[in-house]
Amino acid sequence: GAVVSQHPSWVICKSGTSVKIECRSLDFQATTMFWYRQFPKQSLMLMATSNEGSKATYEQGVEKDKFLINHASLTLSTLTVTSAHPEDSSFYICSARDVGNYGYTFGSGTRLTVV
Amino acid sequence: KQEVTQIPAALSVPEGENLVLNCSFTDSAIYNLQWFRQDPGKGLTSLLLIQSSQREQTSGRLNASLDKSSGRSTLYIAASQPGDSATYLCAVRKVATDSWGKLQFGAGTQVVVTP
Repeated sequence: GAVVSQHPSWVICKSGTSVKIECRSLDFQATTMFWYRQFPKQSLMLMATSNEGSKATYEQGVEKDKFLINHASLTLSTLTVTSAHPEDSSFYICSARDVGNYGYTFGSGTRLTVV
Repeated sequence: KQEVTQIPAALSVPEGENLVLNCSFTDSAIYNLQWFRQDPGKGLTSLLLIQSSQREQTSGRLNASLDKSSGRSTLYIAASQPGDSATYLCAVRKVATDSWGKLQFGAGTQVVVTP
């Protein structure tokens, strides 16, 4: 089945630094990928939609300059949290849409802790 | 705006009992509905995908129904096992106006199956 690989699975960084999270579709091409944020015991909040070769579309309230998204190829999208602050600590999950079967495959998530 | 609600928020049952999880959505103009499972600190695993033209989907002990006109979907898990303990999320994909296929998630139902 479709597999999405997300790395790293967890990361701890200092305030003010930047962190990059990768999301790769391993056995299918994903023209569209999605980035979500999840707070403890809450559902997923869509942050942005990433389309290969074009600028990402951000949801209302999500800072474009803080959460940089790049989708340079059909199998790779990256989310960079710039100048991270403790309030950016969260669980980040990516998802890719498999055009072939209309379903969505999710990565295993990245636990970001900013200290 | 599409609102997705899941009831109950939490559920605890003894092993062997059947599980019934409910999902409701306010806008019946959906493209499809998908049920996911999330284990603590992990990404999402797709369980069942129901297209808007379908009324149900089955996979092993899982059965999901869809009544688009009333805005409801139900996930049935037969003969529950401790390994079924997880949070179950439903998500709907809107039609047409959103060509990227963004998903709207419910808050989830946290299930505990006791031995």
